[in-house]
Amino acid sequence: RKEVEQDPGPFNVPEGATVAFNCTYSNSASQSFFWYRQDCRKEPKLLMSVYSSGNEDGRFTAQLNRASQYISLLIRDSKLSDSATYLCVVKSYNTDKLIFGTGTRLQVFP
Amino acid sequence: EAGVAQSPRYKIIEKRQSVAFWCNPISGHATLYWYQQILGQGPKLLIQFQNNGVVDDSQLPKDRFSAERLKGVDSTLKIQPAKLEDSAVYLCASSFNSAETQYFGPGTRLLVL
Repeated sequence: RKEVEQDPGPFNVPEGATVAFNCTYSNSASQSFFWYRQDCRKEPKLLMSVYSSGNEDGRFTAQLNRASQYISLLIRDSKLSDSATYLCVVKSYNTDKLIFGTGTRLQVFP
Repeated sequence: EAGVAQSPRYKIIEKRQSVAFWCNPISGHATLYWYQQILGQGPKLLIQFQNNGVVDDSQLPKDRFSAERLKGVDSTLKIQPAKLEDSAVYLCASSFNSAETQYFGPGTRLLVL
């Protein structure tokens, strides 16, 4: 079983739609959680950290369910510029190693 | 502030040849990482340096891959000899320390024929 699992997509949504991505992780000792964004042929960039209480950054909302070992990312009012791959990332408790999921590809169309 | 620099951006070689990649991290960042990203997958950590010491190289195929960060600043990653399955993007990242956010360079895209 992969340490971090994501639906690879692609998710094709119209502008203005709300879309949600899910991610599960296998190591219950995982400490920190992140969503990274990766544009086509570019490097990954940190989108947001994910906190136990849930957190929001503009149109983006991230949630963590430690009991179910589940992380989510919600994007409201999708823009064309949101088209990218969204990588779910987990950092383990006893190391600072980042474990990346395979990514979920989002394509927003006009 | 300048980001993580990597060169070359692209490299095409034949199998069994050797190749080297270079990375210059963000100034002041003590921790440097090399990742391999195969098409359709997320980045996988190959090696992590803290200053000029290796912290984690558990996923580095040491029979063919080597990396160094001799002066604790820039780093090189070498593959010798290359195999077809080494075709990937090699990403370098750095952080102020291992607990802080990692910033990625643009990567080197390697194609092994």
